[in-house]
Amino acid sequence: RKEVEQDPGPFNVPEGATVAFNCTYSNSASQSFFWYRQDCRKEPKLLMSVYSSGNEDGRFTAQLNRASQYISLLIRDSKLSDSATYLCVVNPLGSGNQFYFGTGTSLTVIP
Amino acid sequence: GAVVSQHPSWVICKSGTSVKIECRSLDFQATTMFWYRQFPKQSLMLMATSNEGSKATYEQGVEKDKFLINHASLTLSTLTVTSAHPEDSSFYICSANGLAGGLEETQYFGPGTRLLVL
Repeated sequence: RKEVEQDPGPFNVPEGATVAFNCTYSNSASQSFFWYRQDCRKEPKLLMSVYSSGNEDGRFTAQLNRASQYISLLIRDSKLSDSATYLCVVNPLGSGNQFYFGTGTSLTVIP
Repeated sequence: GAVVSQHPSWVICKSGTSVKIECRSLDFQATTMFWYRQFPKQSLMLMATSNEGSKATYEQGVEKDKFLINHASLTLSTLTVTSAHPEDSSFYICSANGLAGGLEETQYFGPGTRLLVL
């Protein structure tokens, strides 16, 4: 079983729509969680950390469900510039500095 | 966030030549850096973990004699693709650990190096 699993999509949504991505992880002892964004032919960039209490950054909300071992990312009022691949990242306890990346979920926001 | 640079950003070379890629942490010290490879429309694949002052740790299936890693200082790691062949053509990205907004550690990526072997 993969450490991190994501629905690859693609998700094609109209501007202004709300879209949610989920990601599951296999190691229950995982301690750090992140969402990264990767634009086409570019490197991944940190979008936001994911905390147990849930956190929000503008139109983006991240949540963690430890009992079910999944994290989610909600994007409200989608913009054209949100089109990208969103990567779920997990740092399991005991893995040291190693991070595990999901395969990414592709989002295209349509005018 | 932390800044990581890579050089060169593009390399086109003939089959059989060796290519060196540099990864630098610009405003912080990185005892550990990571090297990834990404083929088109695929996810990042960790190749190796580069440790300052010691040997790199390679992932299963990655040939250490083909992908030479040197991490001679706290701000520089190099990846050398030796005797490159067309199947080595890929997007090579390095990363280093830094602190995210809540002071938890995360990885910051360099801009990547596109390698095309003819």
